[in-house]
Amino acid sequence: RKEVEQDPGPFNVPEGATVAFNCTYSNSASQSFFWYRQDCRKEPKLLMSVYSSGNEDGRFTAQLNRASQYISLLIRDSKLSDSATYLCVVLSRAGNMLTFGGGTRLMVKP
Amino acid sequence: EAGVVQSPRYKIIEKKQPVAFWCNPISGHNTLYWYLQNLGQGPELLIRYENEEAVDDSQLPKDRFSAERLKGVDSTLKIQPAELGDSAVYLCASSSGSADEQYFGPGTRLTVT
Repeated sequence: RKEVEQDPGPFNVPEGATVAFNCTYSNSASQSFFWYRQDCRKEPKLLMSVYSSGNEDGRFTAQLNRASQYISLLIRDSKLSDSATYLCVVLSRAGNMLTFGGGTRLMVKP
Repeated sequence: EAGVVQSPRYKIIEKKQPVAFWCNPISGHNTLYWYLQNLGQGPELLIRYENEEAVDDSQLPKDRFSAERLKGVDSTLKIQPAELGDSAVYLCASSSGSADEQYFGPGTRLTVT
């Protein structure tokens, strides 16, 4: 079993739709959580950190459920420019090591 | 501020040949990472440096891969000899500290024929 698992997609949604991505992690000692965005043939870039209380940044909402070892990302009012791969990332307490999920590909269509 | 710089951006070599990738991190970033990313997958850590010390190289295939960061700034990743399965994007990232946001370079896309 992979340490960080995501549905690879692709998720094909129309503009304006709400879409949610899920991610599960296996290491209960994980301490920090992030969502990165990666455009086609580009490098990953930090989208947002994920806090235990949940956090929102504009149209993006991230949630963490430590008991279920589950992270989510909700995108409201999808834009064409949201089309990308979204990577779930977990920082382990031991060794401060970042582990990336395989990514979920989103395609927003007009 | 300049981001993480990597070169070359693209490299095509025949199998069994050597290849080297170079990375210049963001100025002042002590932590440097090399990742491998295959198509449709997330980046996988190869090695992490704290200044000039390799603190995590457990995923680096040491029979053919080597890395160095002699003065704690630039780093080089080498493969010798390359195999067909090494075709991938090699990403370099840097951060202020190991628990801080990582900034990625554009990567080197390696094709081994």
